Amino acid sequence: DTGVSQDPRHKITKRGQNVTFRCDPISEHNRLYWYRQTLGQGPEFLTYFQNEAQLEKSRLLSDRFSAERPKGSFSTLEIQRTEQGDSAMYLCASSFGAGGSQETQYFGPGTRLLVL
Amino acid sequence: GQNIDQPTEMTATEGAIVQINCTYQTSGFNGLFWYQQHAGEAPTFLSYNVLDGLEEKGRFSSFLSRSKGYSYLLLKELQMKDSASYLCALPPYSGAGSYQLTFGKGTKLSVIP
Repeated sequence: DTGVSQDPRHKITKRGQNVTFRCDPISEHNRLYWYRQTLGQGPEFLTYFQNEAQLEKSRLLSDRFSAERPKGSFSTLEIQRTEQGDSAMYLCASSFGAGGSQETQYFGPGTRLLVL
Repeated sequence: GQNIDQPTEMTATEGAIVQINCTYQTSGFNGLFWYQQHAGEAPTFLSYNVLDGLEEKGRFSSFLSRSKGYSYLLLKELQMKDSASYLCALPPYSGAGSYQLTFGKGTKLSVIP
């Protein structure tokens, strides 16, 4: 078990470009989360998948953002027409849960996005 | 809703003990997490408290008082590598229909020689 991995670790793009990030969760984890973190703040929730189903989306997730988890394994987060305000660390986390149980979320190293 | 308050920054001396406080308000309680985050890295899990009292785990201990909406993280025998941000987080309460964690802004701890 190598933990949650994310790719790329860093991304610099120009305003208006599209970017896509990938997250590979811990293999036996059925739940996957995306968070965004800016300097001096805690992570803010973006979206949640249980297996392949996207069950929860934050109001922070504008229509320029889309996330998928097509086979219930890895996930992608795409940002279209990037804006400078999208510059942040994008964190992926995964957990194993059943029913309404509370379980620990394990985080990946993040993708740091800079929009110029 | 949920709200978390933590001090923004703290400084402590190597070898000392430091207590990082977290106060919270929530419509329903389902435990409290502490995470450690080194600069530019992912948050890593430290502890989860759901019952009142102190839980010790090596040099780190976490305390919870549900009636007071209060938790603290106690770090003993501080080492330079403990310089990091410490994040307090609340899971959603049962029946909320959500699985997201709500994080505080984090407390940046600087350990000095």
